[in-house]
Amino acid sequence: DAMVIQNPRYQVTQFGKPVTLSCSQTLNHNVMYWYQQKSSQAPKLLFHYYDKDFNNEADTPDNFQSRRPNTSFCFLDIRSPGLGDAAMYLCATSRDRAPLNGGADTQYFGPGTRLTVL
Amino acid sequence: QKEVEQNSGPLSVPEGAIASLNCTYSDRGSQSFFWYRQYSGKSPELIMFIYSNGDKEDGRFTAQLNKASQYVSLLIRDSQPSDSATYLCAVVNYGGSQGNLIFGKGTKLSVKP
Repeated sequence: DAMVIQNPRYQVTQFGKPVTLSCSQTLNHNVMYWYQQKSSQAPKLLFHYYDKDFNNEADTPDNFQSRRPNTSFCFLDIRSPGLGDAAMYLCATSRDRAPLNGGADTQYFGPGTRLTVL
Repeated sequence: QKEVEQNSGPLSVPEGAIASLNCTYSDRGSQSFFWYRQYSGKSPELIMFIYSNGDKEDGRFTAQLNKASQYVSLLIRDSQPSDSATYLCAVVNYGGSQGNLIFGKGTKLSVKP
């Protein structure tokens, strides 16, 4: 009965070799997020989708791209991984976006994909 | 730059004691606050959220919010070794058309038997 699923759990890639991480959800949530978390650091938001609307964070490198072909699935593509991209990549979902007048829907996280770059 | 600050710890408490975890934030306009627990090598899981000033209790956990002081805390009563984890404070940052979570680096809690 997992709600947010990430595959694979562990990914090893070579420097410069493209890699795709997968996230799926059974919650039918509108919003899907991708975070990068390095050791002993805070999760850092890379981008999110609100339905089909893509929202990129200003400081997310162009090397990172995302696709959301349908409500259930979202992919993170790293076009040319560098050593500095080794991290845990977390997918999260929420029912809706946080409204400007306060309140926020809870974000539910998947188990994460640990990426190693050789 | 909107920031969320936490003492990285480790905070060490004996089993059965109260653990107090603190968080400050820079955006005075923030209105929604979350505490997540993250075990080593695992993903964050929600403990509590709080929107209003004051205390909010859920079992052994109490979240406290003081918007005037831009301060939010998490108290864990009767701490157990299984509570040993990193606790992440997250604040909704209202930039652009909607809010996103800004996380602190987390406080590592160690509960000694």
